[in-house]
Parts: sequence; structure tokens; C-alpha cells
Amino acid sequence: AQSVTQPDIHITVSEGASLELRCNYSYGATPYLFWYVQSPGQGLQLLLKYFSGDTLVQGIKGFEAEFKRSQSSFNLRKPSVHWSDAAEYFCAVGNTGNQFYFGTGTSLTVIP
Amino acid sequence: NAGVMQNPRHLVRRRGQEARLRCSPMKGHSHVYWYRQLPEEGLKFMVYLQKENIIDESGMPKERFSAEFPKEGPSILRIQQVVRGDSAAYFCASSLLAGAGNEQFFGPGTRLTVL
Repeated sequence: AQSVTQPDIHITVSEGASLELRCNYSYGATPYLFWYVQSPGQGLQLLLKYFSGDTLVQGIKGFEAEFKRSQSSFNLRKPSVHWSDAAEYFCAVGNTGNQFYFGTGTSLTVIP
Repeated sequence: NAGVMQNPRHLVRRRGQEARLRCSPMKGHSHVYWYRQLPEEGLKFMVYLQKENIIDESGMPKERFSAEFPKEGPSILRIQQVVRGDSAAYFCASSLLAGAGNEQFFGPGTRLTVL
């Protein structure tokens, strides 16, 4: 069965520091992988997605993620965090049907 | 081009009442998905609909919950005889095409509170 694990419930970083949010998935075939961001009281916005090809994916707002099949991971990174990046981040995997399976999210706090 | 619209944004119901949540997909999108987000949890898939058809309802509770996507008008998620455990944020998403490779665009959600 498909599942997504985000090991870090909450992360705090200083503004300007680098960021890495972890995501591990369980899926039998080649996964469709997504990262979404949710600001308080808002819906989800897609940051980036991976279907195939280059394992390093560039997204919006300066985010990137790397697909590592051997580790079943799809970690999200940003070299320099801005205060506006404070939000909840969700990793998701899509199956061959139409369901998305979401992780429980990582809450990011950015301190000045 | 408006995004996915959901209303109401906040809904308060007493136990035993009915809740109706509406979702208007993005223009041109005929695939609609409903998700539920309980406090401190991720989104859980509930149901996938195309116009006038329920395609996958494997995530829907067996009782009290129903969904529809009529030929005209928004998709409706209906919860009958609500209980406190139904308190959650309900998100609707839509996509242009079917299949997991197609991006789902999310609405702002409806936050249901059951007193």
C-alpha cells in the first residue's frame, strides 16, 4: 500500500539558513511525487512535482527536491530560507489511479 | 481564471444537523476530489468524481457521507447527522485530466466545526 512519511513534525530555521525537509514514500511502482505548501487558513499550493527523468526537480519560490529511488526519498531543499517561507509543507505520492497520499506535514518556523 | 472555489469557508453545525460543502472546480476541469484534514494530520483522500459520476469513493465513510458532481453546478459533499468527530478542514481539488500524473489544484477549504 502507498504511504508517505514525513519524519519531522516541526522544524525551526533562521532566516537565510538552508532548509531540508524529509519525505519517504512507500510505493510499488515508479511514483508520482509532489510537494505542496499550505499557509495558515489557506489551501495547498504546488511547489514542485516529479514524474520521471532528471531526479533533481526545480520548483517555485526557489525550492528544489531530489528523488532517490534507492532511499525511497524525495527531500525538499532550499538554500536560503525567507521569513515568508514559514508554512506547513506536505509531501504526497500519487498512484496510477487518481488518489494522492499525503504525509502528515512538516511545520516550518523561520526566526529572524 | 479563477481557481478552485469552496464555500462556505467556515461552517458551524450542532450535532445531528446536516452539513453541505460546495466546490466549484477550475474552469474546464471535470475531475473533482475531496480530502479531509483532521487536526495535526495530513490530507486523507475521500472521493473522486467526474461529471455526474462517482469514480472512486474508497476513502468515504460508509455512513452519513455522500458526494455528487451534477452536470450543472458545483460538487457537493454532504454530511448527515454530524458528530464532533466530523470537525475538520475539507478540501476540494480539481484536475484537467485524470491520472496521478496530473496536478490537482486545491481550493482554500471549508473548516467545519461541530458543536
